[in-house]
Formats: sequence, structure tokens, C-alpha cells
Amino acid sequence: KNQVEQSPQSLIILEGKNCTLQCNYTVSPFSNLRWYKQDTGRGPVSLTIMTFSENTKSNGRYTATLDADTKQSSLHITASQLSDSASYICVVSRGLAGGFKTIFGAGTRLFVKA
Amino acid sequence: SQTIHQWPATLVQPVGSPLSLECTVEGTSNPNLYWYRQAAGRGLQLLFYSVGIGQISSEVPQNLSASRPQDRQFILSSKKLLLSDSGFYLCAWRQGGNTGELFFGEGSRLTVL
Repeated sequence: KNQVEQSPQSLIILEGKNCTLQCNYTVSPFSNLRWYKQDTGRGPVSLTIMTFSENTKSNGRYTATLDADTKQSSLHITASQLSDSASYICVVSRGLAGGFKTIFGAGTRLFVKA
Repeated sequence: SQTIHQWPATLVQPVGSPLSLECTVEGTSNPNLYWYRQAAGRGLQLLFYSVGIGQISSEVPQNLSASRPQDRQFILSSKKLLLSDSGFYLCAWRQGGNTGELFFGEGSRLTVL
């Protein structure tokens, strides 16, 4: 079954601290994996995209990793800021044989406190 | 640049009333368009997608319908709302083919009473 599971479900950290969010997937065939940031009451916005051959990709203080063998990805946030408080959604796209379906994780809700 | 507009942002409707949510995309042509519903604590659920005018594909049976009367306009409708239709609805368009980035609207919060 094609699924995307994220952990933890929610996380509280202090401003300035680092954190890592996890994403495990069983999606096949794999095309790409994106991390989206969704502010409360807003639409999600893409942070990073990773294809099968990529291991690490950074976008400012956000660094995503991908292990295609174990089907795991992580999103590391460095020196967190209050504005990082949001939901982070892992999204995996299937390839041609999978009808190009897009599978969404339930998200990790991050709270950054002063 | 491309933009996506979705309205209304908030809607409170009684059970049995009709629904119309609108979404328009600017700055691109022939986009793939999507309607998603987001329930608390769950991933986005694809409701409908469209690859062209008048072409609608439904992913799940439900009380809702979608239409695409123009290239860059996507409408989500219902003739009679149910309590279970309450939720956060997101319109999106895709760039770069079937696995490209999804660009989302601001969302519409629907509460059915």
C-alpha cells in the first residue's frame, strides 16, 4: 500500500534550537519527494524537492535528506525561529507506472516558543 | 508570474444548502487543477483533478462535484451540504508535468451547521 508516515505528530522547541522531522514512505514507483510548509489557515508551500539520486538538499535553514534504499527522508531545521511554527508535510509522487499519484503525509506540527 | 486565487476564505453554511467554491489561476495556460480537502491530523485528500476544460476526474465518491468552465477556472460545488462536508478545502495547480510542484491557493474553511 502506498503510504507516507511522518513523525513526530507534533513537536515543541525553543527558539534558536535545531530539530529534525522524519518521513517514512512505502510509495512505489518513486518519482520525487517534497517537503511543504503550511502556516495555520494557509495553503502549503514547497520547501525542497528530492529525486531518487539526491541525498541532501538545502534551502536556507532547511536541509532535507533522502535515503532511497530505506525509503526515509528527514527535514532538519537549524536555529529555529518563531516563524518556523507551522505544519510540515512530506509529499511523495509516484512515477508513470503509479499513475503519477501524489501521496501526502499527515504532517508534523511544529511549535517554536520564545 | 503565476498566481492562484481561491474564495471565499471562510464559509458557514446550514445543512442542506448549496456550495460553490471558486479557484482561478493567472499567468499560465492549460494547468492541471486540483481540489483537496484537509482534515485535522490527516493528509490532504484529493477530491477532483482536471487536465483541461470540461475534463473532471473524481478520486472519491462524495457529495461534491467539480467543474472547469474555463481553462484557468475550477469550481467545487454541492447541491446539498452534509455535516461531514465541513473542512479546509484547497485548490492547487501543478507545474512541470504530473510530478511537478503543486502550488496551492490560500484555502477555504467550510463549516456546515
